[in-house]
Amino acid sequence: NAGVMQNPRHLVRRRGQEARLRCSPMKGHSHVYWYRQLPEEGLKFMVYLQKENIIDESGMPKERFSAEFPKEGPSILRIQQVVRGDSAAYFCASSPSGAATNTGELFFGEGSRLTVL
Amino acid sequence: GIQVEQSPPDLILQEGANSTLRCNFSDSVNNLQWFHQNPWGQLINLFYIPSGTKQNGRLSATTVATERYSLLYISSSQTTDSGVYFCAVEGTSGTYKYIFGTGTRLKVLA
Repeated sequence: NAGVMQNPRHLVRRRGQEARLRCSPMKGHSHVYWYRQLPEEGLKFMVYLQKENIIDESGMPKERFSAEFPKEGPSILRIQQVVRGDSAAYFCASSPSGAATNTGELFFGEGSRLTVL
Repeated sequence: GIQVEQSPPDLILQEGANSTLRCNFSDSVNNLQWFHQNPWGQLINLFYIPSGTKQNGRLSATTVATERYSLLYISSSQTTDSGVYFCAVEGTSGTYKYIFGTGTRLKVLA
């Protein structure tokens, strides 16, 4: 399957723990986007990354959230000291192009569903 | 930033009926996509349609970029069409990200 791969699909954490969500883009794609979907709501942009660079993090909460896309390996969305309000589905998307051209078509993974107890 | 509005917010159809979903956006766009989020939460690409008209089976879409709207047509609806339909747009002013509308929740009854 050459699609966007996310893991884990489901993650349960207690308040105060850390959550790490991983995303491997489609083959040939070097641009990764993270979106959050709260229950019964639409998708909200969080962050746009290229390899080793954060291009736009305007949708990321200022505290506890961070993202990276290293030269080797998947993109990671990290949430420290989770709270109940972090419970949501986190979707990763990739595209073949990004800044300096236009984004092109986005392809989404199946999402990671975080539940905070 | 760019605003994306979808209508109607909710829609209930009898199997076999046709429907039109609308997406209005507040500024010029580089890109526009339609997605279907099925009841299991998966996001499925329907159309990548920054302008013009496309058809795929029972679905078709039209984007009139100059008038800042897009339409998604579903003909002969089936129960498997149920779910939420999202429109997402990327503005022209160097944003490099897609902004999603709030979606149309469709339920098709057998």
